[in-house]
Amino acid sequence: RKEVEQDPGPFNVPEGATVAFNCTYSNSASQSFFWYRQDCRKEPKLLMSVYSSGNEDGRFTAQLNRASQYISLLIRDSKLSDSATYLCVVNTNAGKSTFGDGTTLTVKP
Amino acid sequence: DGGITQSPKYLFRKEGQNVTLSCEQNLNHDAMYWYRQDPGQGLRLIYYSQIVNDFQKGDIAEGYSVSREKKESFPLTVTSAQKNPTAFYLCASSIERTYQPQHFGDGTRLSIL
Repeated sequence: RKEVEQDPGPFNVPEGATVAFNCTYSNSASQSFFWYRQDCRKEPKLLMSVYSSGNEDGRFTAQLNRASQYISLLIRDSKLSDSATYLCVVNTNAGKSTFGDGTTLTVKP
Repeated sequence: DGGITQSPKYLFRKEGQNVTLSCEQNLNHDAMYWYRQDPGQGLRLIYYSQIVNDFQKGDIAEGYSVSREKKESFPLTVTSAQKNPTAFYLCASSIERTYQPQHFGDGTRLSIL
């Protein structure tokens, strides 16, 4: 079993839809959590950190559930420009970063 | 502008040849990393460094070598021992390894001639 698992998708949604991605992790020593966005043939770019109380940045909401060991990313009012692969990243207290394999989102007109 | 610069963007390697990928950062970050990404796959850690003159192997270090002589620079050498080097190579840096996110350069695509 992988340390960090994501549903690979693809998720195909119409513009304006709300879409949610989950990411589960197995290491209970995990300390910090992030969501990245990666466009085709480009580098990953930090989308947002995930805080224990949940956090929001415009149309994006991230949540952490430590008891069930998962993080989520909610995108509201999807835009065509949201089409990308979304990676979750989990850092342990030993400083090890593990990347999920990513979930691919395609937003269609 | 602060950031991470990788060069070259595209690199071709002949059989039996060693090639070196450059990574320079002016963010004053202590930690630096090298990842490999194959088509349709996630990122796999090759090497990382927390401080100058110190580095550790990641999950797939065989066939690769690194150095960290300066805080700003973390070059990766793909040796002839790496039999399947064709991939997208990403360099990243972070302030520290546990609580801070990593920031990436725009990558080097390596292919075999």
